[in-house]
Amino acid sequence: GAVVSQHPSRVICKSGTSVKIECRSLDFQATTMFWYRQFPKKSLMLMATSNEGSKATYEQGVEKDKFLINHASLTLSTLTVTSAHPEDSSFYICSARDLRLAGAYNEQFFGPGTRLTVL
Amino acid sequence: AQTVTQSQPEMSVQEAETVTLSCTYDTSESDYYLFWYKQPPSRQMILVIRQEAYKQQNATENRFSVNFQKAAKSFSLKISDSQLGDAAMYFCAYSTGTASKLTFGTGTRLQVTL
Repeated sequence: GAVVSQHPSRVICKSGTSVKIECRSLDFQATTMFWYRQFPKKSLMLMATSNEGSKATYEQGVEKDKFLINHASLTLSTLTVTSAHPEDSSFYICSARDLRLAGAYNEQFFGPGTRLTVL
Repeated sequence: AQTVTQSQPEMSVQEAETVTLSCTYDTSESDYYLFWYKQPPSRQMILVIRQEAYKQQNATENRFSVNFQKAAKSFSLKISDSQLGDAAMYFCAYSTGTASKLTFGTGTRLQVTL
């Protein structure tokens, strides 16, 4: 149980285009989803927190208009990188949590990540 | 702001031996959670072990155990009988409450040698 998927696993795009990454909770309902960015050999940096049906809360320094997050259902959140540039190339990871689960111990379940390369 | 520090960028251990990864954190909260995550080359984050701050007993999961020193704000991970499959990046993480975000340390790369 508690499986989170991401699609696509890898994407290459041209500079100036937009890319959408999907994060799905496959066997539970995710009231909250998180989006992280990870540079090579670095730690995970939280970009934003999204609660189903609400606007995302972005971390300081993350451009809301560049990284659009939508969490329209309890099983799907999307991250759209708009007008992508080479510096946006990174590994993007989502995680999900169902706050309604009893004894959840604050655990987040992570997706496998998406590698974005902007040419 | 809460911070998590891992002072060992890389560690190496021989197969079947024991290794301890260090983690310290800074917080003014009294109720929080601590985690160790493993990230193998596949990049999939895997929860290794968790500790609730209100519990004095150190958490244990098979070959993995922690040494939680609340007063010192220290949370080290001990891996016993190391296996080749333990080779990965290990991240210490902190969270407050049940609805809060995770703050990660910078990670420790563990190598396991024959």
